[in-house]
Amino acid sequence: AQKITQTQPGMFVQEKEAVTLDCTYDTSDPSYGLFWYKQPSSGEMIFLIYQGSYDQQNATEGRYSLNFQKARKSANLVISASQLGDSAMYFCAMRKGMDSSYKLIFGSGTRLLVRP
Amino acid sequence: GAVVSQHPSWVICKSGTSVKIECRSLDFQATTMFWYRQFPKQSLMLMATSNEGSKATYEQGVEKDKFLINHASLTLSTLTVTSAHPEDSSFYICSVGGTTSYEQYFGPGTRLTVT
Repeated sequence: AQKITQTQPGMFVQEKEAVTLDCTYDTSDPSYGLFWYKQPSSGEMIFLIYQGSYDQQNATEGRYSLNFQKARKSANLVISASQLGDSAMYFCAMRKGMDSSYKLIFGSGTRLLVRP
Repeated sequence: GAVVSQHPSWVICKSGTSVKIECRSLDFQATTMFWYRQFPKQSLMLMATSNEGSKATYEQGVEKDKFLINHASLTLSTLTVTSAHPEDSSFYICSVGGTTSYEQYFGPGTRLTVT
């Protein structure tokens, strides 16, 4: 069975500094996708970054990068140059296979608070 | 990318009544839609996978007779909470998969409060 684990319920970071949010996963499938979403207090789910299991390079999207360590089954999110607007819940998620018709399984989330 | 809408954005209903929540894919034909539930300060839990033209697939522990899902067209899926109780109060979010592996679009969510 697939499982996503986020061990940090809450994190603080100083504005303009970088922060790493941890995510580990467990699956026996060779093909899978890993996602990070941001959920502000409004509740909307904002897609941040995606990493496919066969991707050789770590994904990057602007200030977001995914530190993908396949052997360790970890997919940590790195946010560089934190901004006050980054304060939100962050969820790591995994999907079996590469087909978007497969469901996403979410981790428990990490609440990030950026201090001015 | 796909734009997904939900209606209503929030609803208050009395215990024992039924509530219907709509999820629309505005610019993308979706054969599959997903319904999630999120309790305060918790993660998203998948309730069911909605398949156009066929029965929904429910996750273990989700009562299919209580949470009725209808996916009658490629752009609309509905979730009906029947005989709602206060413990059904939650944030309900739908999502739609896109055409590429990394696409998964979420609706803005519906906040249900049962009094």
